[in-house]
Amino acid sequence: HLQLQESGPGLVKPSETLSLTCSVSNGSINTWSYYWGWIRQPPGKGLEWIGTIYYSGSAHYNPSLKSRVTMSVDTSKNQFSLKLTSVTAADTAVYYCAREMYMDAFDIWGQGTMVTVSS
Amino acid sequence: QSVLTQPPSASGTPGQKVTISCSGSSSNIGGNFISWYQFLPGTAPKLLIYSSNQRPSGVPDRFSGSKSGTSASLAISGLQSEDDTHYYCAAWDASLNSWVFGGGTKLTVL
Repeated sequence: HLQLQESGPGLVKPSETLSLTCSVSNGSINTWSYYWGWIRQPPGKGLEWIGTIYYSGSAHYNPSLKSRVTMSVDTSKNQFSLKLTSVTAADTAVYYCAREMYMDAFDIWGQGTMVTVSS
Repeated sequence: QSVLTQPPSASGTPGQKVTISCSGSSSNIGGNFISWYQFLPGTAPKLLIYSSNQRPSGVPDRFSGSKSGTSASLAISGLQSEDDTHYYCAAWDASLNSWVFGGGTKLTVL
């Protein structure tokens, strides 16, 4: 069955750029049926959707984060990525990648990766 | 403050039925699908309900979802000790143009 795995630095300095990659295994990212998303959860807080991207590269971001977020897809590597610029301590969170059934549900999730913003 | 409102906690004894509510508005639950997730520490979050009332394959039929107006519920029957964890609801919000989530409910199996 399809699996997702997040990877990237666990520590990022304030004002720098957070970069994460989600690797898709046992299935193709190149499918018209699904979208690919990022969701985060700060410690002790609720879930926040960051954005969603289609295999074609078309992306849709959370309006509250839009100015700082860029998502991309690399179909040759079966991966999609997240960049979040100008990070602050408020961006400290567990970051999850997930497969989205368009506007219905996130049906497959990665285990999540903790990213701490600190100098 | 989450857009969707869930009770922070719920509890029940083994074998009982528990219901977790999720309240929203016409721009999210009222006009779109609701989904429910189980978060177990150290594991990937698991989809329990999609399209408001559909179970993915592999999810026991002890879990069921319903929606009425701007509210939704997740029911867990035949409560088991492994159900003791956190549950979240989610829906697309057409006004915010964003996915929105509930604040989560910690279910305790006594």
